[in-house]
Amino acid sequence: ETGVTQSPTHLIKTRGQQVTLRCSSQSGHNTVSWYQQALGQGPQFIFQYYREEENGRGNFPPRFSGLQFPNYSSELNVNALELDDSALYLCASSLGVTGKETQYFGPGTRLLVL
Amino acid sequence: GDSVTQMEGPVTLSEEAFLTINCTYTATGYPSLFWYVQYPGEGLQLLLKATKADDKGSNKGFEATYRKETTSFHLEKGSVQVSDSAVYFCALLHGSGNTGKLIFGQGTTLQVKP
Repeated sequence: ETGVTQSPTHLIKTRGQQVTLRCSSQSGHNTVSWYQQALGQGPQFIFQYYREEENGRGNFPPRFSGLQFPNYSSELNVNALELDDSALYLCASSLGVTGKETQYFGPGTRLLVL
Repeated sequence: GDSVTQMEGPVTLSEEAFLTINCTYTATGYPSLFWYVQYPGEGLQLLLKATKADDKGSNKGFEATYRKETTSFHLEKGSVQVSDSAVYFCALLHGSGNTGKLIFGQGTTLQVKP
């Protein structure tokens, strides 16, 4: 069974640029959630995707957007990067969408915005 | 809204000491509760979970009991090892409609000294 994978592992961007982060869900999982973890903090929910559609969103601005593909992999796109976007971005996958499924996390992508 | 509060760290223990990390929550309804662990430079790993009141989650010697009357989910281990040094996150699964959003505490750093 393949776990959740994310790419790249690290990324450095400058303010104003755009970034795309990628996530492959655990084998058999069809739901992907994205979280932002600032240094020294707990993760914050960005949004969730199910069947290629956004299935819920946290308190993040529209410049944070996502996609889910037919193979259930997902992308997180962030436009007009700001310094405060520097964080560890975590992807989690789960099976189903009742709102009660256990989520399994990938290793994360560490983004630094200069 | 829903929230999770963890005891402040860091917690420093000697090997083989008893561990307790306190976690309390505020939530509407009956959320599932989780403990995740994060080793340095890594993503989150699911440690244990409980889905209803009085359930006990356990894994790798760690235990936590879902106490509805005190809205708590304290993490315990009878004898810690140096390899348990990590950041521990308590979380609840907030189900809004069919969106499952994890709400995390701020994390507690555990340092175990030989």
